[in-house]
Formats: sequence, structure tokens, C-alpha cells
Amino acid sequence: SAVISQKPSRDICQRGTSLTIQCQVDSQVTMMFWYRQQPGQSLTLIATANQGSEATYESGFVIDKFPISRPNLTFSTLTVSNMSPEDSSIYLCSVDRTGAGEQFFGPGTRLTVL
Amino acid sequence: QQQVKQSPQSLIVQKGGISIINCAYENTAFDYFPWYQQFPGKGPALLIAIRPDVSEKKEGRFTISFNKSAKQFSLHIMDSQPGDSATYFCAASMSQGGSEKLVFGKGTKLTVNP
Repeated sequence: SAVISQKPSRDICQRGTSLTIQCQVDSQVTMMFWYRQQPGQSLTLIATANQGSEATYESGFVIDKFPISRPNLTFSTLTVSNMSPEDSSIYLCSVDRTGAGEQFFGPGTRLTVL
Repeated sequence: QQQVKQSPQSLIVQKGGISIINCAYENTAFDYFPWYQQFPGKGPALLIAIRPDVSEKKEGRFTISFNKSAKQFSLHIMDSQPGDSATYFCAASMSQGGSEKLVFGKGTKLTVNP
């Protein structure tokens, strides 16, 4: 497994502002992923963030709204830009250490947009 | 387009009983099928996973049964305990350029009554 931390654990933000979520892993990993989990719902992949390359976004998610940085093999950030109440969700990062498909998730960041 | 269909949406089981959650997938290119357990306020935790080359995998009280021809897989929790009360997600992924993206089912909320 992997020890993954996220900051902040939760936040309440005003409409129109931006929030940057940090994901820190205890060891170097090539593949990191960012997911969104809306209240009471399943997980939806936002983007794949591999070090050394641009993030790959899934259909329905765009870089202008969810810019991602991956400066090294243990850290990534996801920014939720120009927030609206519809962005209220839990945002989760995950890592795949072996490339075999086993993904381990961080504790999540619970975002509420007023 | 929902690629992984999960049922039931909710499940109530008595302590000591067997909990069974089912998933069906559409894409025959999927080659990895994990189950995740999520407690309120926590990130999903990898519980058990299977690949198509085997029909069953058991870890403690948790068993995955896999039917490749029917494109179905299920999670069986034997001797269910109140501590098993959580939301369970099935998922599937395929190797795509080295990054295995997970597609999640909608989740099953399991309640185990004492």
C-alpha cells in the first residue's frame, strides 16, 4: 500500500474563488489520479497526472477548471477554479505504485462551495 | 455510459449472515476488477481484487467470484459483522498506455445489524 495525505481535509469556500488541494505520497510513484465523489455518489476520474507529462483529463473535465501540477514523484496538486456550488464534492487523489492497477486512495478533501 | 453496473444499491444483513454484492461490466478489455470499502468521511480502501485468469479469490471472510463469460463478478462477505457496515464499490480497469484507469460502480451501502 502507500501512505497518502491530502490537504486541506475540508474547506468551505465562496462562489467564484479557487482552492488548491495537495496530495503527498510517502514514496515515489509514477501514476497519480484525481477523482471527484459527489455527495452520496460514486467516484469519477478527473485526470491522470504522471510526472514529466501533462495531465490527461477525462471527458467533461478541462484544464482551465481543474489545473493540475505534478512537480515530482511524491506530490501533486489539483486546483478547483472559479468554484460554484456544483463543485461541492469530495476530491480524492490516488496512486498506482506498480502499474498493475492497484490504486490506493488518500483520505479525501471535502469541499463545500457556498 | 455506465460501464460497470452494481447491485443492489443498499443491503441489510444480520450479523453472521452472508452479504452478496454483484457487478456486471460491458467492456471485455477490462482486465482488473477490484473492490473498495469506504467508511463515512474516509477514502476508499482496496479490499480485494481479481484478474480474469481465475474464477475465485478468497481473503479471509471476503471472496470474489468472477464469471468471464457472463461478464459478471461478485463480492461475498461471510459471517458479516457490524464493523463491515460501509459502502462497497466494485471497479474495473484496463491497461491503456501503461495507466490503468478505474471505472467504478455506483456503490452498495451495506448495513449489518447486530
